[in-house]
Amino acid sequence: ETGVTQTPRHLVMGMTNKKSLKCEQHLGHNAMYWYKQSAKKPLELMFVYNFKEQTENNSVPSRFSPECPNSSHLFLHLHTLQPEDSALYLCASSQTPGEQFFGPGTRLTVL
Amino acid sequence: GQNIDQPTEMTATEGAIVQINCTYQTSGFNGLFWYQQHAGEAPTFLSYNVLDGLEEKGRFSSFLSRSKGYSYLLLKELQMKDSASYLCAVRDGRSQAGTALIFGKGTTLSVSS
Repeated sequence: ETGVTQTPRHLVMGMTNKKSLKCEQHLGHNAMYWYKQSAKKPLELMFVYNFKEQTENNSVPSRFSPECPNSSHLFLHLHTLQPEDSALYLCASSQTPGEQFFGPGTRLTVL
Repeated sequence: GQNIDQPTEMTATEGAIVQINCTYQTSGFNGLFWYQQHAGEAPTFLSYNVLDGLEEKGRFSSFLSRSKGYSYLLLKELQMKDSASYLCAVRDGRSQAGTALIFGKGTTLSVSS
């Protein structure tokens, strides 16, 4: 595997479900990011981790819970989501302060 | 506040030149990025400007004027495969780690034959 990978690529969940999104980067970068991309809206930064430490939380609701066990892996735990949380969730990594490399994203649908 | 503006849509024909403008107002500035995103795919890095002037990379060039809060992406010799969304993003120098990007809504470019 090369670059940034994300699983699953598609996820459909009910509002009472708990699920997790996974991101893995194979680039040796020290920073990882979660973004939300909704139709007709700009990419919204959710969380930033540098050397496994969370350095940004962009006022994200607590129903989204990130986890970064090491510099190569990033998770986004989801629980009691709302239909408006349906979006493309993109993971990215970078070697500070370089450009960010994005994964293919997880298309999330909340019913 | 922070704001990044770029046109919503543009159209052009194969072989032509197109310029996509981006204006920004941010409290902190630490570089400007352009990304390309094809429908259903991840954004891919195109260019980075931190100093004023033009950066050229093959058919793509990007310009920055920090005093005017302005950048443009210039695409030459357009090809059908250039049909995509082009995202302007500013790195917010105020963020704790100095790495956070603020994105515009993107410009959807349609190239026709």
